[in-house]
Amino acid sequence: KAGVTQTPRYLIKTRGQQVTLSCSPISGHRSVSWYQQTPGQGLQFLFEYFSETQRNKGNFPGRFSGRQFSNSRSEMNVSTLELGDSALYLCASSFSRSSSTDTQYFGPGTRLTVL
Amino acid sequence: AQKITQTQPGMFVQEKEAVTLDCTYDTSDPSYGLFWYKQPSSGEMIFLIYQGSYDQQNATEGRYSLNFQKARKSANLVISASQLGDSAMYFCAMREGMNTGFQKLVFGTGTRLLVSP
Repeated sequence: KAGVTQTPRYLIKTRGQQVTLSCSPISGHRSVSWYQQTPGQGLQFLFEYFSETQRNKGNFPGRFSGRQFSNSRSEMNVSTLELGDSALYLCASSFSRSSSTDTQYFGPGTRLTVL
Repeated sequence: AQKITQTQPGMFVQEKEAVTLDCTYDTSDPSYGLFWYKQPSSGEMIFLIYQGSYDQQNATEGRYSLNFQKARKSANLVISASQLGDSAMYFCAMREGMNTGFQKLVFGTGTRLLVSP
């Protein structure tokens, strides 16, 4: 069974540009969550999508947005990039059953560098 | 507010020894889950083990076990018989509202484990 895939793996952008990251969940998983990982702030929750709807959002500015398609694939977009947006962006998927054993599985991440 | 604390920035252990990585948490939600993930230098987060707040027994998965002390709000990871490949960052994470389906994880700051031959 294929794991969570993320593309691209590495990305270099300049300040002011925008970027789109893609995530394909494990087959059958309906929930996709995004996290930002930086040395200073650690791992922080960005948002979660389920059935094409954002159902939870972290404390990030509106420049960070996302969407989910009918096949559960998800994209996140960052507009007007800032130097501080340089980070590893991790995507995670799960079945999202109302079950105590539901577990998120992570992709390899996209490392974004903003110059 | 939910919070995860990992007080050990780094741990050093010799191959074949056991090691305990500490994790304490804070939540007012009675239904929560605690997770441990391993992050090698490649960056991918690898799920290791899960403990639910209502679970009566400590979770075990191969060489990994979770020492869950609910009254102390601690969920320490025990790795038995360490291997060189265990060298990585280890993160403790918590999810509240386990019966809701919502997936937000709150992570600790991590512990870097180094296993030497």
